[in-house]
Amino acid sequence: DTAVSQTPKYLVTQMGNDKSIKCEQNLGHDTMYWYKQDSKKFLKIMFSYNNKELIINETVPNRFSPKSPDKAHLNLHINSLELGDSAVYFCASSLYRDNTGELFFGEGSRLTVL
Amino acid sequence: LAKTTQPISMDSYEGQEVNITCSHNNIATNDYITWYQQFPSQGPRFIIQGYKTKVTNEVASLFIPADRKSSTLSLPRVSLSDTAVYYCLVGWDMDSNYQLIWGAGTKLIIKP
Repeated sequence: DTAVSQTPKYLVTQMGNDKSIKCEQNLGHDTMYWYKQDSKKFLKIMFSYNNKELIINETVPNRFSPKSPDKAHLNLHINSLELGDSAVYFCASSLYRDNTGELFFGEGSRLTVL
Repeated sequence: LAKTTQPISMDSYEGQEVNITCSHNNIATNDYITWYQQFPSQGPRFIIQGYKTKVTNEVASLFIPADRKSSTLSLPRVSLSDTAVYYCLVGWDMDSNYQLIWGAGTKLIIKP
């Protein structure tokens, strides 16, 4: 059983398109995250939700919009894709909202914008 | 400026002990220090977490000095499969605004 699963694993699209990445966790955690990892392997938090409520919203363009229909799901929608959006996007979940305990990551979704 | 700093890369040989140090001068008073391991094409995976002194589990040890401004991940008797990127994660208090700050990652290469 995969704890944190995200789809699709790979996404290749043209500039200007809109795309979504879905994430689901079956761990019963209250907190979920979206991270972006660039080509230099820097991990940067984008959003964090606790029990469907947005608690962290880092400086991310408005083109990125997270949606949490329930506490087990956190989807990421990206409008008007740009070349600089190419990266690996990781979904994660945790029991607590701070750095107590463990973050569980998905396998990542590699987005390539042409 | 909040910064979690670690070496960009390290090399070692099978069977050796490897120590990776992370600097975090402004760690939040009540926050933990957490280390993650990442293999290519996978998400980061939790290794160990500590608050102070020393923590040991089946894969690693974590040494934290009294001032908590740094921490050292120790991997005993590494093998080729320990080749990965290792990240430290620390919480920072910035003007009463709590933030989680990741280090840039240390690429560890283990040679036969």
